Amino acid sequence: DTGVSQDPRHKITKRGQNVTFRCDPISEHNRLYWYRQTLGQGPEFLTYFQNEAQLEKSRLLSDRFSAERPKGSFSTLEIQRTEQGDSAMYLCASSLGQALTLETQYFGPGTRLLVL
Amino acid sequence: GDSVTQMEGPVTLSEEAFLTINCTYTATGYPSLFWYVQYPGEGLQLLLKATKADDKGSNKGFEATYRKETTSFHLEKGSVQVSDSAVYFCALSDNTGNQFYFGTGTSLTVIP
Repeated sequence: DTGVSQDPRHKITKRGQNVTFRCDPISEHNRLYWYRQTLGQGPEFLTYFQNEAQLEKSRLLSDRFSAERPKGSFSTLEIQRTEQGDSAMYLCASSLGQALTLETQYFGPGTRLLVL
Repeated sequence: GDSVTQMEGPVTLSEEAFLTINCTYTATGYPSLFWYVQYPGEGLQLLLKATKADDKGSNKGFEATYRKETTSFHLEKGSVQVSDSAVYFCALSDNTGNQFYFGTGTSLTVIP
């Protein structure tokens, strides 16, 4: 078990460009979560998947953001037409089971995005 | 809505000093409360939790007691070590279990 991994760890892009991040959960974990953490703030929940189904989305997730988990394993988070306000750390977490609880989530190291 | 407020950092302590990081919450119903730790370059890790009033969570020498009367969940450790240097987040899971809220984090540096 290698834990939750995220790629890339760092991304610098210009405003208006599209970016895509990948998250590989712990194998056999059926739930996968995305969070955003801006500087000096705690993580904010964005969305989560149970297997390949996206079950909940936060109001924070604008229509420029889209997440997929096509085969119920890895997930991608795409941001279209990036804005400087999108600069943040994007965290992924995964868990196993039916209950949607915080304490069962294992977090990855995050992808830090900087939009110039 | 539900929220978590924790003391701002950074906090710098000498090794073996006593640590307190304050956390208060606002919630309807009966939330579960957590402390997470983030070591440099690593992901968030659950440190301890408490799911009902008067519960005490403990792990690695850290403790926190769920105080409903003061809506608090302060983190304490009697004698910190250099290896405790990290960012600590207080967090809340609402009574449905479906919504999670994190505090802004408190950076702790322990010097030898």
